[in-house]
Amino acid sequence: DADVTQTPRNRITKTGKRIMLECSQTKGHDRMYWYRQDPGLGLRLIYYSFDVKDINKGEISDGYSVSRQAQAKFSLSLESAIPNQTALYFCATGDRVNEQFFGPGTRLTVL
Amino acid sequence: GQQLNQSPQSMFIQEGEDVSMNCTSSSIFNTWLWYKQEPGEGPVLLIALYKAGELTSNGRLTAQFGITRKDSFLNISASIPSDVGIYFCAGQRWEYGNKLVFGAGTILRVKS
Repeated sequence: DADVTQTPRNRITKTGKRIMLECSQTKGHDRMYWYRQDPGLGLRLIYYSFDVKDINKGEISDGYSVSRQAQAKFSLSLESAIPNQTALYFCATGDRVNEQFFGPGTRLTVL
Repeated sequence: GQQLNQSPQSMFIQEGEDVSMNCTSSSIFNTWLWYKQEPGEGPVLLIALYKAGELTSNGRLTAQFGITRKDSFLNISASIPSDVGIYFCAGQRWEYGNKLVFGAGTILRVKS
């Protein structure tokens, strides 16, 4: 079984809809991250959490929110999706030396 | 914000050739990481570097942490078709809260 799982893997939605992307991990890491990947831009950090009670904004948090439901679960929400949020989204977990381990990604398309 | 300049942007090489790519920054980093992403998958960690000057190998891959701490290099020897993918460098600075900053990636294509 994969250490970091993301659901759904693909999602097509319409402008204005609320979307939640979920991430679960079995690695036992305290640190979890959400990234967005766009062609030619690499990965950009949206939000991160160092433990269940800790939530921090990343580089591009506007338009997104997160919830850390448990050590193993970290979800990303788009309250009102817009077309420029069309991208590949990755969840990652990290150990103390911050070698991050990525999930398989969610491809989100906002029409 | 932090920026890493990764080059080349893409490479199309013949099977068996060696490959070199690098990542530079105007800032000093404490850790350099190299990841590979294959189509439809998330990035997978290849090599982690923790000390200036460090040279680390993983099979046919060799990466170095630059002496100035502002750059890192990844070499792949004797490329094979399964080396195809996007290679990302990532840097970590203690002053940046231990978050990773990623380069834009190098797309590698191998002609067999």
